[in-house]
Amino acid sequence: NAGVTQTPKFQVLKTGQSMTLQCAQDMNHNSMYWYRQDPGMGLRLIYYSASEGTTDKGEVPNGYNVSRLNKREFSLRLESAAPSQTSVYFCASSEAPTLAGKGETQYFGPGTRLLVL
Amino acid sequence: AQSVTQPDIHITVSEGASLELRCNYSYGATPYLFWYVQSPGQGLQLLLKYFSGDTLVQGIKGFEAEFKRSQSSFNLRKPSVHWSDAAEYFCAVGPFSGGYQKVTFGTGTKLQVIP
Repeated sequence: NAGVTQTPKFQVLKTGQSMTLQCAQDMNHNSMYWYRQDPGMGLRLIYYSASEGTTDKGEVPNGYNVSRLNKREFSLRLESAAPSQTSVYFCASSEAPTLAGKGETQYFGPGTRLLVL
Repeated sequence: AQSVTQPDIHITVSEGASLELRCNYSYGATPYLFWYVQSPGQGLQLLLKYFSGDTLVQGIKGFEAEFKRSQSSFNLRKPSVHWSDAAEYFCAVGPFSGGYQKVTFGTGTKLQVIP
């Protein structure tokens, strides 16, 4: 049981390049999330997927797209990277919050450190 | 709108000393409150959470937190800190919203433990 895995762990891009961050969970969770973490700003939600087949914007979606490929996988794509997207990206998952007291914990992956030059 | 404030950016404590990390929230209804810990280079791990009931919540690694509605606070405590507790701690507040758990994270408090 690996939990939430993310690839790659570290990436350097040039401005304008594209890339996809991969995330997979093996806990049979319905909901998945992408956050970015910047110094002094905590975690900010980029996109989320409440269940397979649905995606919605979070707090800071501009410049990103997502795909919920199946129940396990949720990818984040940067179509044209900008220096402002230099950050640490975290994927998380949780059970659908339909059962009180069970669905609220989010499980995080180890993160992807992205540097855009 | 919900918000979370962690007033201490950085805290240093001696090993064996007690610890209290502050968290204040703003939310219109009964909040769902969380404390997460992030070790260097790692993702976040849930320490404890509060939804209802007893206002003193026990978590993993010997941590506890107390929900005080009158003060809009959810401070994290540990009676005796270990060197392995050095990490960054995030308070978060989140209600349910349909199929999505909207969680707002604080900016974090970095804990340094000195011998």
